[in-house]
Amino acid sequence: GAVVSQHPSWVICKSGTSVKIECRSLDFQATTMFWYRQFPKQSLMLMATSNEGSKATYEQGVEKDKFLINHASLTLSTLTVTSAHPEDSSFYICSARGAGAPETQYFGPGTRLLVL
Amino acid sequence: GENVEQHPSTLSVQEGDSAVIKCTYSDSASNYFPWYKQELGKRPQLIIDIRSNVGEKKDQRIAVTLNKTAKHFSLHITETQPEDSAVYFCAATGTASKLTFGTGTRLQVTL
Repeated sequence: GAVVSQHPSWVICKSGTSVKIECRSLDFQATTMFWYRQFPKQSLMLMATSNEGSKATYEQGVEKDKFLINHASLTLSTLTVTSAHPEDSSFYICSARGAGAPETQYFGPGTRLLVL
Repeated sequence: GENVEQHPSTLSVQEGDSAVIKCTYSDSASNYFPWYKQELGKRPQLIIDIRSNVGEKKDQRIAVTLNKTAKHFSLHITETQPEDSAVYFCAATGTASKLTFGTGTRLQVTL
């Protein structure tokens, strides 16, 4: 149980375009979803926290107008990188937390984004 | 907010030896401390966790200890095997119920 999927697994796009990444909890209801970014050989940095039906809470330094997060249902959250630039190239990982195990986060497989 | 420091950044051990990774945290209200193993290009995998009401927890070759007073926690891997080679992250959940990750330890187990 507690499976989280992410789509796409990797994406290459041109500078200036927008990219949408989906995060789904497959077998549980995710009351909270988190979005992380991980640059090569670095740690996971939390970008934002989203709760179903409410606006996401962004970490300091993360532009909310550039990284749009929508948590429309208890099983789906999306991250849209708007007007992507090469410096946005990174590994984006979501995680989900359910009501049954409020401390445990289950991670998606990640999306590798390359902006040319 | 919470700040988690992790040492060492790299660790090389011979197969069969033990490996120890140490972390410190800043938020005295933190109450949940998971450890993750991440292989290249893959998601972090939870390998063990400990809550603040417990001082030690063991699962086969892996153990974690927690010293709340000193705000230290450590991961111990015994009888290391080549498949233990990966990057290990500690994390702590602070007052905001968010996970803050350490900087990671690259463990290499040599034959």
